[in-house]
Amino acid sequence: QKEVEQDPGPLSVPEGAIVSLNCTYSNSAFQYFMWYRQYSRKGPELLMYTYSSGNKEDGRFTAQVDKSSKYISLFIRDSQPSDSATYLCAMSPTGANSKLTFGKGITLSVRP
Amino acid sequence: NAGVTQTPKFRILKIGQSMTLQCTQDMNHNYMYWYRQDPGMGLKLIYYSVGAGITDKGEVPNGYNVSRSTTEDFPLRLELAAPSQTSVYFCASSYGASLDYEQYFGPGTRLTVT
Repeated sequence: QKEVEQDPGPLSVPEGAIVSLNCTYSNSAFQYFMWYRQYSRKGPELLMYTYSSGNKEDGRFTAQVDKSSKYISLFIRDSQPSDSATYLCAMSPTGANSKLTFGKGITLSVRP
Repeated sequence: NAGVTQTPKFRILKIGQSMTLQCTQDMNHNYMYWYRQDPGMGLKLIYYSVGAGITDKGEVPNGYNVSRSTTEDFPLRLELAAPSQTSVYFCASSYGASLDYEQYFGPGTRLTVT
């Protein structure tokens, strides 16, 4: 079993839809959870960063962590064509940048 | 600020050849990282550096070497290239070690070894 599993995708939705992106993990030591967005032919950029369980909201984006189920989600409200990208989850047992385990990413396409 | 820059953008190598991937950041960041991203896989850390003259192995260091002689530059050396090293290589930097300091990624180098 991989440490971090991410829905395989790709995912295609119409503009304005609510999008749910999910990752599951097996390592109960993970305490820090991140979502990155990666546009085609670009490097990843950090979207959201949460510690432990709970929700965090930033504009149209909400990150949710359920440590009891080892499940994290990223919700995108009112999705826009500019949200079309690959979304990677990442996790860490410590607070160190050098200890990240990434999911393989899911490609989202938002149709105008 | 240019941020993190990487050269070359693309490269094709023959098996057994060597090359150096260049990475430069102009944000005065102490920490720099090299990742590889294989198709359909997550990023994996190859090496990282906590400052000039100090480097450490990541998850997948075999087949690679690094050096950090200045704060700005963190080159990645491939010796005796193998097909398994075909990947997209990303360099990143951060001001500090903790996740409170965001990692900024370069645009990547696409390497094919045939």
